[in-house]
Amino acid sequence: QKEVEQDPGPLSVPEGAIVSLNCTYSNSAFQYFMWYRQYSRKGPELLMYTYSSGNKEDGRFTAQVDKSSKYISLFIRDSQPSDSATYLCAMSNGNQFYFGTGTSLTVIP
Amino acid sequence: DAGITQSPRHKVTETGTPVTLRCHQTENHRYMYWYRQDPGHGLRLIHYSYGVKDTDKGEVSDGYSVSRSKTEDFLLTLESATSSQTSVYFCAISDDLTTTDAGELFFGEGSRLTVL
Repeated sequence: QKEVEQDPGPLSVPEGAIVSLNCTYSNSAFQYFMWYRQYSRKGPELLMYTYSSGNKEDGRFTAQVDKSSKYISLFIRDSQPSDSATYLCAMSNGNQFYFGTGTSLTVIP
Repeated sequence: DAGITQSPRHKVTETGTPVTLRCHQTENHRYMYWYRQDPGHGLRLIHYSYGVKDTDKGEVSDGYSVSRSKTEDFLLTLESATSSQTSVYFCAISDDLTTTDAGELFFGEGSRLTVL
């Protein structure tokens, strides 16, 4: 069983839609949770970071962590064509990081 | 943006030749990592460093070696490149858990290597 599971998609939505991206994990020791956005031929860019459980909001982006269910989510409101990218979830129990394989998102104008 | 610079950004080489990729950081972070990213596999850890001259193997370390002689530089060497090492290589950095950046991992722009 992989440490982190992420649906690879691809996911295609119309502009303005709400997007929900999700990951599940198996290691209850994870304390740090991250979402990265990666544009084609670019490095992963840290989008959202959460320590332990709860929600975090930054503009159109909301990250949720449910440690009891070992489930994390990223919501994108009012999606834009510029949000088209691959989204990676990542988690850590310190300085060892584990990644999902990424979900490819396309927002259609 | 985190100050991480990778060089070269693109390289084409032939099977059997040595290759060195360099990662340079200006953040003074303790931990440095080398990942490779391949379709269907996601990001896989090759080696990482937890301090000057302190390194350890990752998930896919065979055929790779690393060195860290200064806090800011982390080198990845392919002693004899093979076609299976064609990939995009990413350097990443993170800091001690006692710092304000605790738990965050920042990536460089990547080095695209093609081994013919």
